[in-house]
Amino acid sequence: DQQVKQNSPSLSVQEGRISILNCDYTNSMFDYFLWYKKYPAEGPTFLISISSIKDKNEDGRFTVFLNKSAKHLSLHIVPSQPGDSAVYFCAASVGGAGSYQLTFGKGTKLSVIP
Amino acid sequence: DAMVIQNPRYQVTQFGKPVTLSCSQTLNHNVMYWYQQKSSQAPKLLFHYYDKDFNNEADTPDNFQSRRPNTSFCFLDIRSPGLGDAAMYLCATSRHYGDGGYTFGSGTRLTVV
Repeated sequence: DQQVKQNSPSLSVQEGRISILNCDYTNSMFDYFLWYKKYPAEGPTFLISISSIKDKNEDGRFTVFLNKSAKHLSLHIVPSQPGDSAVYFCAASVGGAGSYQLTFGKGTKLSVIP
Repeated sequence: DAMVIQNPRYQVTQFGKPVTLSCSQTLNHNVMYWYQQKSSQAPKLLFHYYDKDFNNEADTPDNFQSRRPNTSFCFLDIRSPGLGDAAMYLCATSRHYGDGGYTFGSGTRLTVV
């Protein structure tokens, strides 16, 4: 039973436009959410996180939005660049930023077309 | 550069033949994790160490064991690999639990023949 779902296996976006990656979760106990980015032949790297007490967190071109009532979060990348082409994993945990156990989604492969 | 290093990058082993995957870190992080990621699936936590304290996930098969002889190194031992154990194995570290995000190694892709 998947508790974190990334329903789009892939997404293609033109360079300079907005990329929106979506993530849904079923466990209402999740209170901390993270996005990781993974290039081929490399391990995932942490990108951005958000606590359930917030509905938005911004870091440069990356913004994560959280809609708790819908159990939905999204990652916005503006403007998209070819170097953003990677697999993006959504992850969630119970117990806030101090929890050890992350539950990952299957990932969405983003392709930014020059 | 401080990092998490996994060796080897690719490992081929025979069905039933024990295999060990290695992870080392120069970050001096307290926590080390092993994840299994099968094709097109989400990474799944197998176990983790907080310092020397070993924590096994309830659904991790007994076939999988781990050792952490010191802060820097952690090993994943698969006692009798089956075809279903073919996967990417990811090692990750964090200074404490959570800590805003893990640092992952590049992974070891295990093939069982």
